[in-house]
Amino acid sequence: GQNIDQPTEMTATEGAIVQINCTYQTSGFNGLFWYQQHAGEAPTFLSYNVLDGLEEKGRFSSFLSRSKGYSYLLLKELQMKDSASYLCAVVDSNYQLIWGAGTKLIIKP
Amino acid sequence: NAGVTQTPKFRILKIGQSMTLQCTQDMNHNYMYWYRQDPGMGLKLIYYSVGAGITDKGEVPNGYNVSRSTTEDFPLRLELAAPSQTSVYFCASSQDLSGANVLTFGAGSRLTVL
Repeated sequence: GQNIDQPTEMTATEGAIVQINCTYQTSGFNGLFWYQQHAGEAPTFLSYNVLDGLEEKGRFSSFLSRSKGYSYLLLKELQMKDSASYLCAVVDSNYQLIWGAGTKLIIKP
Repeated sequence: NAGVTQTPKFRILKIGQSMTLQCTQDMNHNYMYWYRQDPGMGLKLIYYSVGAGITDKGEVPNGYNVSRSTTEDFPLRLELAAPSQTSVYFCASSQDLSGANVLTFGAGSRLTVL
């Protein structure tokens, strides 16, 4: 079967750095997405990786290792507004999105 | 530019009732999707459409129906509502079906079946 694993919940301090991991086992791979979802709101796009390596976008970076079936989202200089769920999703061989359950990130002052 | 608009935002249904969740996008996207999101679980695809007149089942289609008569609209019909359909429903659209297929989501519809 296809599976995406992420930690259920993480806590971090304002101003700090946090890394949210995602491991996957899917039938084929055509890219990996990270979405941010604030409570009661719709998911919004953060990043897309299809090649190995690190993609940096401001305070957020996303890393992919296809050989290890592993990705992480790195959030720097955490702000209170970063409190949200972070969803990892993999595009399989049929170009279908397989979603993880999401990681709820709690930021404390 | 409104993006993806869903209505209603909230609805309570009785078991056995039917209803339609409306979804409209103004980005001229060919691809549209309906997902449900349950606590502690990933988004599950109910139905999707690759263009007007074409729809296909996703992972969890039972108890639902869709139609796509225009590029803009993709309503989701719930027939004979059941408590298992209590969920948050998201409509989404995208430009194509490539790997780098960024979805734009509507604000969601929270449905409770009692």
